[in-house]
Amino acid sequence: DGGITQSPKYLFRKEGQNVTLSCEQNLNHDAMYWYRQDPGQGLRLIYYSQIVNDFQKGDIAEGYSVSREKKESFPLTVTSAQKNPTAFYLCASTPRQGLGQPQHFGDGTRLSIL
Amino acid sequence: AQSVAQPEDQVNVAEGNPLTVKCTYSVSGNPYLFWYVQYPNRGLQFLLKYITGDNLVKGSYGFEAEFNKSQTSFHLKKPSALVSDSALYFCAVNPWANNNDMRFGAGTRLTVKP
Repeated sequence: DGGITQSPKYLFRKEGQNVTLSCEQNLNHDAMYWYRQDPGQGLRLIYYSQIVNDFQKGDIAEGYSVSREKKESFPLTVTSAQKNPTAFYLCASTPRQGLGQPQHFGDGTRLSIL
Repeated sequence: AQSVAQPEDQVNVAEGNPLTVKCTYSVSGNPYLFWYVQYPNRGLQFLLKYITGDNLVKGSYGFEAEFNKSQTSFHLKKPSALVSDSALYFCAVNPWANNNDMRFGAGTRLTVKP
């Protein structure tokens, strides 16, 4: 079955450490997104990518970085500059930008500080 | 700027009773509206969307939503609630199919008691 796979499911970060969250999709979707979910705040957009080798900042990009070298993959790096990284991170994709398609989500990675 | 509000953090209903989860939106131009459901430690699952046409939209698992342009609302409804409907529900809006600008509400936790 097609879908979005996020790994790992749980991740712990030490002070001053960069960590990378994986997001892989086999839906042949063009656009991919990263969201941060905090309790009571809904989802906030970190980065999105409409096409390979191109990505744009969302509302809360500071302290995060991404790459899009392959259509299937959109990894997110949480850098040491992100001072409050504890959250649930969700990756999503859509078939094509601008068609009102619903976003498909992975099952998330929960990041905590050691 | 577009936004969406879910005025209730929590909704409690008895099994078998009808349920309503409220959503209001603010957007320039025609809105594309979505409802998603999230179970614990899982990603969001798409339930239904309104693009155009009939104001009553039917979706997955017996859910439906009513679009009301004059009240800028898109309330989620189900005639008879199940205990298994207990979850976190998110309303989302984007203006005229610009998926890069999807705005999510803060979520409403629905609890259905037997």
